[in-house]
Amino acid sequence: QVQLVESGGGVVQPGRSLRLSCAASGFTFSSYGMHWVRQAPGKGLEWVAVIWYDGINKYSADSVKGRFTISRDNSKNTLYLQMNSLRAEDTAVYYCVRDRGYCSGGTCYADGMDVWGQGTTVTVSS
Amino acid sequence: QSALTQPASVSGSPGQSITISCTGTSSDVGSYNLVSWYQQHPGKAPKLMIYEVSKRPSGVSNRFSGSKSGNTASLTVSGLQAEDEADYYCCSYAGSSTHVVFGGGTKLTVL
Repeated sequence: QVQLVESGGGVVQPGRSLRLSCAASGFTFSSYGMHWVRQAPGKGLEWVAVIWYDGINKYSADSVKGRFTISRDNSKNTLYLQMNSLRAEDTAVYYCVRDRGYCSGGTCYADGMDVWGQGTTVTVSS
Repeated sequence: QSALTQPASVSGSPGQSITISCTGTSSDVGSYNLVSWYQQHPGKAPKLMIYEVSKRPSGVSNRFSGSKSGNTASLTVSGLQAEDEADYYCCSYAGSSTHVVFGGGTKLTVL
């Protein structure tokens, strides 16, 4: 069945780095855009970053730009999020999410996040 | 990247209908028919309920419907049931650079 499984979360000190991974199965990973979405404790959903099919088109939220890097390895059906210079406000559950969107004429359109992982928890604390 | 605006909470009795609004701008909701809605129960991952403003994924009850007028999208839940009690989030495509923006979430209580 279609499945996304995140890993790599944990407790890390402010200023340190962490890399999250997301293993995809049950669908053709290289045909889909993939997001990271996070949810701080007791708060709402916050979009973090997206990477489209071939890994060239990728975008991130202003709150993580310059610190977080999204990437993918289509040969391993795996999505990554490299998180550097972590801050307390990055504490959250991080979800790996599939998008049913598409790219056309050089522009990629997010069109609904239809498969979600169970999430991995990142806690930034000294 | 400003969040879309949703009411913090709505409530209704079993069998009734409720509507949750989601107000954005001409840069997101108003410009694209790429609004989606998500249901999240406590401790669970969100679930896609509506995409492209009004389309339902396979398996989602037809008690859930979506619409849009101008910069505001809406989710209507008819025939409220106890299991509909959850948090609901709207989301919109917002152009290449901003890309995606979520609403702040609405807690639906079934009285």
